[in-house]
Amino acid sequence: EADIYQTPRYLVIGTGKKITLECSQTMGHDKMYWYQQDPGMELHLIHYSYGVNSTEKGDLSSESTVSRIRTEHFPLTLESARPSHTSQYLCASSESGGSTDTQYFGPGTRLTVL
Amino acid sequence: RKEVEQDPGPFNVPEGATVAFNCTYSNSASQSFFWYRQDCRKEPKLLMSVYSSGNEDGRFTAQLNRASQYISLLIRDSKLSDSATYLCVATLRYNFNKFYFGSGTKLNVKP
Repeated sequence: EADIYQTPRYLVIGTGKKITLECSQTMGHDKMYWYQQDPGMELHLIHYSYGVNSTEKGDLSSESTVSRIRTEHFPLTLESARPSHTSQYLCASSESGGSTDTQYFGPGTRLTVL
Repeated sequence: RKEVEQDPGPFNVPEGATVAFNCTYSNSASQSFFWYRQDCRKEPKLLMSVYSSGNEDGRFTAQLNRASQYISLLIRDSKLSDSATYLCVATLRYNFNKFYFGSGTKLNVKP
């Protein structure tokens, strides 16, 4: 089983609120990722990180921001939530290089913005 | 053009049937390949890696054809619990080790 955790699992919040979605992994993985997925739709990469102090935007433009101050922690922040941000947010991590570059996912945060 | 393309299905099959999914990838430099399984409203979970020589894990067999740039997954003796969406994945190590996910193929196994 993957040791990657996300909190909260579910969040319902009003428009304009600032929110932070937490993601932590205990596997010592350097690479971490955030994906956005609407029900029945494909995964979209919104942010990724090579390691501490490294963050990059993904393929899908997102109004969210991320930080990577510690290897195990990769939080995602929305400064002002809007209904269009309603989605499932999935965090993942993978090892650096080698043959075991499998990506492991956390259980996701289901966000609803009213 | 998407990096990884899959038939979205759904594939509706009876229990005990054999079903095969294919997916194609566009970048010939892709290096690693995987099949993930995603249950409704859950996170994707690794089903199996895909190797050039082909690999088998119980009822599941994965094949890679680099010349034609496609990956396949064969499920034998389908169970009700196999109902899920199956995601095909290709990675490019030189590009940060990015994982390119297909949009998924939905499988419904009926009693």
